[in-house]
Amino acid sequence: GAVVSQHPSRVICKSGTSVKIECRSLDFQATTMFWYRQFPKKSLMLMATSNEGSKATYEQGVEKDKFLINHASLTLSTLTVTSAHPEDSSFYICSAHSATGKKTEAFFGQGTRLTVV
Amino acid sequence: KQEVTQIPAALSVPEGENLVLNCSFTDSAIYNLQWFRQDPGKGLTSLLLIQSSQREQTSGRLNASLDKSSGRSTLYIAASQPGDSATYLCAVRPDSGGYQKVTFGTGTKLQVIP
Repeated sequence: GAVVSQHPSRVICKSGTSVKIECRSLDFQATTMFWYRQFPKKSLMLMATSNEGSKATYEQGVEKDKFLINHASLTLSTLTVTSAHPEDSSFYICSAHSATGKKTEAFFGQGTRLTVV
Repeated sequence: KQEVTQIPAALSVPEGENLVLNCSFTDSAIYNLQWFRQDPGKGLTSLLLIQSSQREQTSGRLNASLDKSSGRSTLYIAASQPGDSATYLCAVRPDSGGYQKVTFGTGTKLQVIP
C-alpha cells in the first residue's frame, strides 16, 4: 500500500517554543491530508483538513492560530504548534488521500508524540 | 454527525481465547470501515479494511464483518496471544461529498494474559 511518513516520531520541547510536524506522502500525490490529535485515553479527534494550495479547514474548537497548517505541495503537509504549552502535549497523526479523486484507502503516518515541558 | 462507539472499552482475556470486539456507527452511509491497532505510545497499524459493499474481510487470525444497514462491525480474534494486547480502533469513512474525513471509534483496550 501507499506510504505516509510523519516526522518526527517524538519531540520534547520547552514551553513557549514552536514545533513543526511533517507529513509526507512518499509514493502518491495527496491533495487532501487530515490532522488528528489523541488525548490521553481518548480516541483520535480530527483537528483540521489540509488542502493543497489553499487554507486549511479547522474543526470547531481548534485554534487555527495555535495550530498552523501548511500544504504547499502535493506530497507535504506541515502542522506547527505555536507557543506550545504543556496542555498541547499529545499524540498527533496525519492521514493522506490520493489526488485522483477516487475514494481510496486512507493512509496514516506513524504519529508524533509531543511532550511540552 | 457520525458517531462511532466501541464496546467494550476494555477487555482482559486469558491466552488462547477467541474474542469479539464491537463497533457501531450511527450513519450507515459509509464508504468503508477500517480496523486499526495501536500499541502504547505508537502509531496506528491498519489491520483490515472493509468496503461498504463487502460483508467481511479476513487476515490470519483476524476476521472483520460489516453490517452496514444495522451500523455494526465486529472484529473477531481467534486464539488470542499476548502479542495481541493493544488498543483496537475502528474508523469509518463517509460516502458523501468530496471530504473523506475518517471518524474514529472510542477504542477497545485489549489485554491478553499469558
